Amino acid sequence: DADVTQTPRNRITKTGKRIMLECSQTKGHDRMYWYRQDPGLGLRLIYYSFDVKDINKGEISDGYSVSRQAQAKFSLSLESAIPNQTALYFCATSELGAGEQFFGPGTRLTVL
Amino acid sequence: GIQVEQSPPDLILQEGANSTLRCNFSDSVNNLQWFHQNPWGQLINLFYIPSGTKQNGRLSATTVATERYSLLYISSSQTTDSGVYFCAVPMDSNYQLIWGAGTKLIIKP
Repeated sequence: DADVTQTPRNRITKTGKRIMLECSQTKGHDRMYWYRQDPGLGLRLIYYSFDVKDINKGEISDGYSVSRQAQAKFSLSLESAIPNQTALYFCATSELGAGEQFFGPGTRLTVL
Repeated sequence: GIQVEQSPPDLILQEGANSTLRCNFSDSVNNLQWFHQNPWGQLINLFYIPSGTKQNGRLSATTVATERYSLLYISSSQTTDSGVYFCAVPMDSNYQLIWGAGTKLIIKP
């Protein structure tokens, strides 16, 4: 089984809809991250969490919110989706104090 | 903030060829990661290499932290090596990764 899983893997939605992307991990890591990737570019950080009670905004948090339901679960929400949020979204994890990050398979989101 | 530059942006090779990909970073870092993004979009960890040299099969990586660059070597390329190769470094002690723009590698049979 994969260590970091994301659901759904693909999603098409309409402008104005609320959507939630979910991430679960079995690696036992404390730190979790949400990134987005636009075509032809590297990843940019949306939000990160160092533990259940510690959530921080990243470089591009506007239009997004997150919830850390448990050590193993970190959800990303788009309250009112817009077309420029069409992107590939990745969840990642790392150990407390260690730098190496491990990524889920990604969710391809299309907002029409 | 820290800047990460990768070169070349694109590389087209025949199967069996060797290649070297470069990652330059503008400030000192305490770690660096190399990833392969396959044509299906999945990110695969290749190396976590703050300094020195590591090897994994046909791939190896060297980071010279004092000179602020890292190199990824791919030998005897296979078509499955195609995709985009990214390097990423932490912005600060919070380990938020800053990514280069990637090198797109196409291996022709």
